[in-house]
Amino acid sequence: DAKTTQPPSMDCAEGRAANLPCNHSTISGNEYVYWYRQIHSQGPQYIIHGLKNNETNEMASLIITEDRKSSTLILPHATLRDTAVYYCIASGQAGTALIFGKGTTLSVSS
Amino acid sequence: DGGITQSPKYLFRKEGQNVTLSCEQNLNHDAMYWYRQDPGQGLRLIYYSQIVNDFQKGDIAEGYSVSREKKESFPLTVTSAQKNPTAFYLCASTTGRVAGANVLTFGAGSRLTVL
Repeated sequence: DAKTTQPPSMDCAEGRAANLPCNHSTISGNEYVYWYRQIHSQGPQYIIHGLKNNETNEMASLIITEDRKSSTLILPHATLRDTAVYYCIASGQAGTALIFGKGTTLSVSS
Repeated sequence: DGGITQSPKYLFRKEGQNVTLSCEQNLNHDAMYWYRQDPGQGLRLIYYSQIVNDFQKGDIAEGYSVSREKKESFPLTVTSAQKNPTAFYLCASTTGRVAGANVLTFGAGSRLTVL
């Protein structure tokens, strides 16, 4: 799986959009980008994933650059409950174990 | 509701004792995983299993053992050979059949403390 790079921490004001970047410059053509988040002392929660096209669901939007070397997770209206560690992962094969780095700690404040 | 159940949530162990952490899923998932998380760190893979009666070592398998006798169950034993077992242990599962559908479902975790 391709290595991903994320900033260690970010801050966001409540109600504003949170834009979390991820660099995956060595991603291969069959690797998807996955985003998970982990609220303190809980198991990680799946957010969204994509291959080439931008994706949106009820939780977030995923913007992948045309060259697929980076992506951005967007939480459109961050709330205090979005404070968590966010993990960006690149993975290709079905059933292979995902590699979780240290992620980005997002702190949302009022 | 479908999901993954880990037990116990908290466990205390004396040095030299083996302990077994339970992980059960009713999602009909083929693949199951065990991760370890230390404070302020990401998740590290201990073992994973893509099919019943088969499993592979992850990055930090030393001092741990697993079994996969049933599709629904993937217990992890922390043996006395694990030198620093105090950690948060997470079990996860996925269908494992379709690339691009590698969406993991996690349990709530088991926190092991060695006294």
